[in-house]
Amino acid sequence: LAKTTQPISMDSYEGQEVNITCSHNNIATNDYITWYQQFPSQGPRFIIQGYKTKVTNEVASLFIPADRKSSTLGLPRVSLSDTAVYYCLDTNAGKSTFGDGTTLTVKP
Amino acid sequence: DADVTQTPRNRITKTGKRIMLECSQTKGHDRMYWYRQDPGLGLQLIYYSFDVKDINKGEISDGYSVSRQAQAKFSLSLESAIPNQTALYFCATSGQGPNTGELFFGEGSRLTVL
Repeated sequence: LAKTTQPISMDSYEGQEVNITCSHNNIATNDYITWYQQFPSQGPRFIIQGYKTKVTNEVASLFIPADRKSSTLGLPRVSLSDTAVYYCLDTNAGKSTFGDGTTLTVKP
Repeated sequence: DADVTQTPRNRITKTGKRIMLECSQTKGHDRMYWYRQDPGLGLQLIYYSFDVKDINKGEISDGYSVSRQAQAKFSLSLESAIPNQTALYFCATSGQGPNTGELFFGEGSRLTVL
């Protein structure tokens, strides 16, 4: 199964923009890139998904370069409630495999 | 009501016991998954099923088995539980097509094996 790589942890302050980058070295041509957010003792929650270029929704942006070997999740103006673990995922032939996640800590 | 429901939510058992975790969904999805999460770590795929007659092993299937009783139901069994299977287990579903990365998760089943 494909495996993604992302930083273990990041710190930020309220109101800042946060960018989390993920490496997708084994992504297949037909795979999409998806990001999830997880709070302690809860199931992951879908944030955003894309194939290439840039995607934006009401909570985040996702940039995927032309070679699709990486992706960057953008969180605008984070708040304390954005403290969570963020996972990037590439779906390989229908199998969904999570990386180890990035723990984002937002400080006052 | 939740779209993906897991039972039980919490279970404490002893080494060697057989345990079944159940998952049901009302989203009408064909694809269902079982994941395991150890404290402080990411999710690992145990088994997945793309339809009622399809069962596939994931990364860590040893010591586990599954049953897809119907489109809406996917059960995970530990035939003889051992302490290192103590973890939080998540069931998830997804639709078909290229957007299968969008998973919908249950609230988790916390299993403790003594």
